[in-house]
Amino acid sequence: SQQGEEDPQALSIQEGENATMNCSYKTSINNLQWYRQNSGRGLVHLILIRSNEREKHSGRLRVTLDTSKKSSSLLITASRAADTASYFCAFYQGAQKLVFGQGTRLTINP
Amino acid sequence: DTAVSQTPKYLVTQMGNDKSIKCEQNLGHDTMYWYKQDSKKFLKIMFSYNNKELIINETVPNRFSPKSPDKAHLNLHINSLELGDSAVYFCASSQEVAGETQYFGPGTRLLVL
Repeated sequence: SQQGEEDPQALSIQEGENATMNCSYKTSINNLQWYRQNSGRGLVHLILIRSNEREKHSGRLRVTLDTSKKSSSLLITASRAADTASYFCAFYQGAQKLVFGQGTRLTINP
Repeated sequence: DTAVSQTPKYLVTQMGNDKSIKCEQNLGHDTMYWYKQDSKKFLKIMFSYNNKELIINETVPNRFSPKSPDKAHLNLHINSLELGDSAVYFCASSQEVAGETQYFGPGTRLLVL
């Protein structure tokens, strides 16, 4: 199976700054999702973008999808300490199997 | 009113033992999953059930046996535990087989000594 690749693996920024993380994949997809995992917790779904969409917003989150480059980015604006977490992109391989990237560890410094 | 719950939260056991992890969802979803997250945070699917029927069975040792008594429950039994089984195991659920959003439990941290 082919997992997504995320970049950077770790990111540390000051509170209030914007954080951008990227995901690349190799297969054709119907949609791409982003999840957040706080330390010691389960994954929480953040946003889903469909293959016919280029950009989607949800609060301080902005997701883009470029199917020609097989890549997506997640932008978190005006970061807060509570945004400290690992962020994973995920997409379906075939109809049933959700495949995750290896994640970006985001640290927001006060 | 937790959506997806797992028990136990922590599990420390000796090599060779048999253990079970339980999962329940109260979302009314038809599909449930087990994932394994290793020490590098890599998350990989193990099994998926839809309405009590097995639909995904990844390359997992047959020491791992999922059981779904009803569509709200998916338990994971592990026989003859090995050191390499140490990981965090997550249960998840979705509305459909190709459900777009999956809802995850809090995880069970398994440590095999």
